[in-house]
Amino acid sequence: DAGVIQSPRHEVTEMGQEVTLRCKPISGHNSLFWYRQTMMRGLELLIYFNNNVPIDDSGMPEDRFSAKMPNASFSTLKIQPSEPRDSAVYFCASSLGGQVNSPLHFGNGTRLTVT
Amino acid sequence: AQTVTQSQPEMSVQEAETVTLSCTYDTSENNYYLFWYKQPPSRQMILVIRQEAYKQQNATENRFSVNFQKAAKSFSLKISDSQLGDTAMYFCAWSGNTPLVFGKGTRLSVIA
Repeated sequence: DAGVIQSPRHEVTEMGQEVTLRCKPISGHNSLFWYRQTMMRGLELLIYFNNNVPIDDSGMPEDRFSAKMPNASFSTLKIQPSEPRDSAVYFCASSLGGQVNSPLHFGNGTRLTVT
Repeated sequence: AQTVTQSQPEMSVQEAETVTLSCTYDTSENNYYLFWYKQPPSRQMILVIRQEAYKQQNATENRFSVNFQKAAKSFSLKISDSQLGDTAMYFCAWSGNTPLVFGKGTRLSVIA
């Protein structure tokens, strides 16, 4: 079991640049979640997918953020243009069964720094 | 909106001793799940224990156990025989018909 795989592990970019974070969920899991972690706000849900379909994106901060899941084994979170306040650790998680209260399996996160 | 509150930002415990981390939550739902996750310095989020609200029996996983008080909306985590490897951030989380909502975490340090 390879677990949830996120890339890159660290990303440093300049304000205004486009950033793309990637996630490969555990094979067979049909729910995928993107969370953001900051010291001030803790872990916040950004968006989640069931069977590749976005179900709730109400946590996406603004139009600069977008997420896609073109197939069951890949998802991206894109920020365009990036701003310093986007600096955070971004986690991808997946779960089995399609129920939102199933245990989440997290990736190692991507630490994003926007200067 | 559902909220999860962890009132202890930081705690410390001597190795081999027992420590209890507090968590309270607010919900009007009757069926839900509660979780404790551990985040060591490696940043990985690791599931420690899970409790189903309709089960009265408290969940246990080896040295980890919970005290679930549904009426009080309280869900504390007890770590017995603390080990140095238990040093981490611990997050309490709630989930009903929505994805997990997390508390702000408690930083636990185990001291040799």
